[in-house]
Amino acid sequence: DAGVIQSPRHEVTEMGQEVTLRCKPISGHDYLFWYRQTMMRGLELLIYFNNNVPIDDSGMPEDRFSAKMPNASFSTLKIQPSEPRDSAVYFCASSEGRSGRNEQFFGPGTRLTVL
Amino acid sequence: DAKTTQPNSMESNEEEPVHLPCNHSTISGTDYIHWYRQLPSQGPEYVIHGLTSNVNNRMASLAIAEDRKSSTLILHRATLRDAAVYYCILRYSGYALNFGKGTSLLVTP
Repeated sequence: DAGVIQSPRHEVTEMGQEVTLRCKPISGHDYLFWYRQTMMRGLELLIYFNNNVPIDDSGMPEDRFSAKMPNASFSTLKIQPSEPRDSAVYFCASSEGRSGRNEQFFGPGTRLTVL
Repeated sequence: DAKTTQPNSMESNEEEPVHLPCNHSTISGTDYIHWYRQLPSQGPEYVIHGLTSNVNNRMASLAIAEDRKSSTLILHRATLRDAAVYYCILRYSGYALNFGKGTSLLVTP
């Protein structure tokens, strides 16, 4: 199994540009999570999906952020327009089932720099 | 959400055992205790989890107090590759992981 796959690994863009981050979860996992990590705020949840349906998006910073999961094997996190304060590492994770026993598997992350 | 308390940092010598403590005095009966770690420039990685009994796997051991208000992650022989931030997290079900600040483990040769 290739694990959770994220692309791109690094993204450098200019303020105001649209950014799209991509994630392929582990096959068979029905939960998908998007996290953001910064030095100031640590790891924080942005949104999560169950069976492709968004369940909790209360962590999404503002309307500039949107996430979709069109099918079980693909999710995107879009920022439009991007701002320098969006610079962070964005992680995607997936999990099998909703039990407290289930661990989450994380991707390698996308390091986003907005100039 | 029930919270966890961990020391900010710990230091260990290579090839010695490491005991990473975690307090979770408000844990509920259905909370699982999870440990994750994050190596530099990598995503978090699952280490181990338990509910009531002590647990062992190839990476570590988890010792859970009888009243479940604290737990200890045990690395039996620390290596330089174990230098990471270790997070103790309580998980109920279906919910995202609530990462705190974790314990930064430094391993010295």
